Amino acid sequence: SQQGEEDPQALSIQEGENATMNCSYKTSINNLQWYRQNSGRGLVHLILIRSNEREKHSGRLRVTLDTSKKSSSLLITASRAADTASYFCATAFSGAGSYQLTFGKGTKLSVIP
Amino acid sequence: NAGVTQTPKFQVLKTGQSMTLQCAQDMNHEYMSWYRQDPGMGLRLIHYSVGAGITDQGEVPNGYNVSRSTTEDFPLRLLSAAPSQTSVYFCASSYMVEGGYTFGSGTRLTVV
Repeated sequence: SQQGEEDPQALSIQEGENATMNCSYKTSINNLQWYRQNSGRGLVHLILIRSNEREKHSGRLRVTLDTSKKSSSLLITASRAADTASYFCATAFSGAGSYQLTFGKGTKLSVIP
Repeated sequence: NAGVTQTPKFQVLKTGQSMTLQCAQDMNHEYMSWYRQDPGMGLRLIHYSVGAGITDQGEVPNGYNVSRSTTEDFPLRLLSAAPSQTSVYFCASSYMVEGGYTFGSGTRLTVV
């Protein structure tokens, strides 16, 4: 079954505003990753945060991870129309002979010019 | 670098037909996987491989077969297509099991 669950399912903001998306998961993980998918395209890897990290930055992206609450958040600052896409969190687990990256259902972000 | 190449991009099958979705990567990645994406369901893992000759099942493996004879190629076979297999299929690869994945552009499959 799917591990990560994003919240909200959809988000609409004005250009220039910040967008925050949340992800909750159920079991222990090695790392958590965020991906972007533009309509009709494949997924693009944005950022990876390991289980022993609490915060990570990449350009306008800021990701936090709270393993005690089994949750993560993705913040996109100063959003642009080009940020309009679906965003997915994915949890990576390897162990006991199993190696899997499990995706949530995604948050659909609309940035209005 | 081409990255991850999937062919075909679109395919229509009749119920009961078989076909192979091709996936090739030129990044020397050991880890490859197949996902299907359905509306409202996100991506679900079908099969994955941690290296040539090694494959394993994911969340939704029924009706699909895979093999990994080379590092570069990871084809997905539909044995007897069913309407429930109508979906968009993505192949992905990574340099390591826990690394960030590179995705192909997808194959949109319709089974009628």
